[in-house]
Amino acid sequence: EVQVVESGGGLVQPGGSLRLSCTTSGFTFSDYWMTWVRQAPGKGLEWVASMTGDGSARFYVDSVKGRFTISRDNAKNSVYLQMNSLRVEDTAIYYCARDPVDLWGRGTLVTVSS
Amino acid sequence: QAGLTQPPSVSKDLSQTATLTCTGNFNNVGNQGAVWLQQHQGHPPKVLSHRNNNRPSGISERFSASRSGNTASLTITGLQPEDEADYYCSAWDSSLSIWVFGGGTKLTVL
Repeated sequence: EVQVVESGGGLVQPGGSLRLSCTTSGFTFSDYWMTWVRQAPGKGLEWVASMTGDGSARFYVDSVKGRFTISRDNAKNSVYLQMNSLRVEDTAIYYCARDPVDLWGRGTLVTVSS
Repeated sequence: QAGLTQPPSVSKDLSQTATLTCTGNFNNVGNQGAVWLQQHQGHPPKVLSHRNNNRPSGISERFSASRSGNTASLTITGLQPEDEADYYCSAWDSSLSIWVFGGGTKLTVL
């Protein structure tokens, strides 16, 4: 079955860190860019980061540059999002998507609160 | 990092046709095409149309996508109660190297 499954969300205090994982199956992972998209409560979709299939390039939305890092392990068919210096405004459901955003997971909730 | 422009809301009667629009520029919608997504409350987004305007397997023929210049459109025919949802468009911006999303259109079926 072709799918992506996110994990790793949870409650974290402002300034804290969290690492999200996205495990994929059913397609040749290394052939695809992978993307993280988030959705704050009651808000629209916001692109967060993308990474090329071979890992040679990464792209970020301005608001997370220097705090978030996208990475991937093609041997494990997985992509990750390391989130540091988390802020209250990072609270959202984080979705993993295969590019060109044509396959989405169910998301994992990240709550940043004291 | 500006996004794509979508009308915030559209209301149509049951069984009628709704056309949702998504306006960008040459660097995103114009030369990359747009992906259309449907999202029901409390659920993840579902892809209705790929960038080439093709429907994924399992998506009803009532949903059709097109593009004219820098504006993408999603037409939904024979509106059903289950079509009431939020609809988003998205496109890769080849100049900025970012994905841009529209703010979403809330479709109400009367």
